[in-house]
Amino acid sequence: QLQLQESGPGLVKPSETLSLTCTVSGGSISSSSHYWDWIRQPPGKGLEWIATMYYSGSNYYNPSLMSRVTISVDTSKNQFSLKLSSVIAADTAVYYCARHDPTDEQLDYWGQGTLVTVSS
Amino acid sequence: QSALTQPPSASGSPGQSVTISCTGTSSDVGGYNYVSWYQQHPGKAPELMIYGVSKRPSGVPDRFSGSKSGNTASLTVSGLQAEDEADYYCSSYAGSNKLVFGGGTKLTVL
Repeated sequence: QLQLQESGPGLVKPSETLSLTCTVSGGSISSSSHYWDWIRQPPGKGLEWIATMYYSGSNYYNPSLMSRVTISVDTSKNQFSLKLSSVIAADTAVYYCARHDPTDEQLDYWGQGTLVTVSS
Repeated sequence: QSALTQPPSASGSPGQSVTISCTGTSSDVGGYNYVSWYQQHPGKAPELMIYGVSKRPSGVPDRFSGSKSGNTASLTVSGLQAEDEADYYCSSYAGSNKLVFGGGTKLTVL
């Protein structure tokens, strides 16, 4: 059974860079059949798609966040990562990683999510 | 890239049916048959319930069904059960490898 687990600091200061890692188990991140995504959810609010990556290095970003987001992959560790720079309070959210099936563009497996708070 | 429009809330009694709408544009919902629906219980991660407009992943009860007409997709939950009470989010492919979500609908089982 595929599992995803987010990890990283739960508290980030304003103007600094948020860094999270998603570790995939029970399957290979190098699968040619799937993409890997980051999604976030501010407290009490809805879901927001952040970015999609393919293990070979193709990355796609939400236009509203593109200037601040970087995603990368470490196939040797079966992990992919998110960096969000110049964070502000509005970036406080639960951040999820998920597997993306391009067949019908669905997110079929999700991590449990990790809360990141932006505060000094 | 604007969020898809969902009603903030919906409700129904046990055994009844309820339909949740998800309205977008011809650039997302109307342009592709790539609408998904996710169920989210409080404090939990979203779970895929419907994909490709009307397909159900294995393990999802057939009480959940999806459809689309023009720029509006719909999720219908038939035979409402207490455990169906949750937040529901639609998503759609929006072209150029982008995804967009709806604002979410809180479903209450009365």
